[in-house]
Amino acid sequence: QKEVEQDPGPLSVPEGAIVSLNCTYSNSAFQYFMWYRQYSRKGPELLMYTYSSGNKEDGRFTAQVDKSSKYISLFIRDSQPSDSATYLCAMSGATSGTYKYIFGTGTRLKVLA
Amino acid sequence: NAGVMQNPRHLVRRRGQEARLRCSPMKGHSHVYWYRQLPEEGLKFMVYLQKENIIDESGMPKERFSAEFPKEGPSILRIQQVVRGDSAAYFCASSGGRDNEQFFGPGTRLTVL
Repeated sequence: QKEVEQDPGPLSVPEGAIVSLNCTYSNSAFQYFMWYRQYSRKGPELLMYTYSSGNKEDGRFTAQVDKSSKYISLFIRDSQPSDSATYLCAMSGATSGTYKYIFGTGTRLKVLA
Repeated sequence: NAGVMQNPRHLVRRRGQEARLRCSPMKGHSHVYWYRQLPEEGLKFMVYLQKENIIDESGMPKERFSAEFPKEGPSILRIQQVVRGDSAAYFCASSGGRDNEQFFGPGTRLTVL
């Protein structure tokens, strides 16, 4: 079993839709939870960085962490074609090193105009 | 551009040659991390360095791979006697502290013929 599981997609939605992206994990020691966006053949771009449980909002993006269920989500409101990319979740914890990010394999998102 | 810089962006090597990948962290950052991304796989941690020190190299293969971050100049990931299985995208990230968020560079895509 992988430490971090993420549905690879692709996920296709119409422009303007609310997108929900999710990851599950098995290591209860994870404390830091990140979401990155990666365009084809580019480097990952940090979208959200959260510590422990709860919600965090930044513009059209909302990150949720539910440590009791070992489940994290990223919501994108009013999705745009420019949001079409692969979304990577990442997490880390003190036992393995807060600097050692464990990544999901990514979910490919397509927003159709 | 104050972002993480990597060069070259693309590198082609024949089996048995050496590959040198360079990374300049964001201005003000002294923590550097290297990750490898294989097709259809998530990013995998390789090594964490601070100036003149290797902090954690647990994700780096024991043979042929080495990394350094000298007092002056960029961090370098060196792969000796490359094999086809080394073909991947190699990403460098930097942060202002070991618990701080990591920002990624554009990556170096290594192709071994």
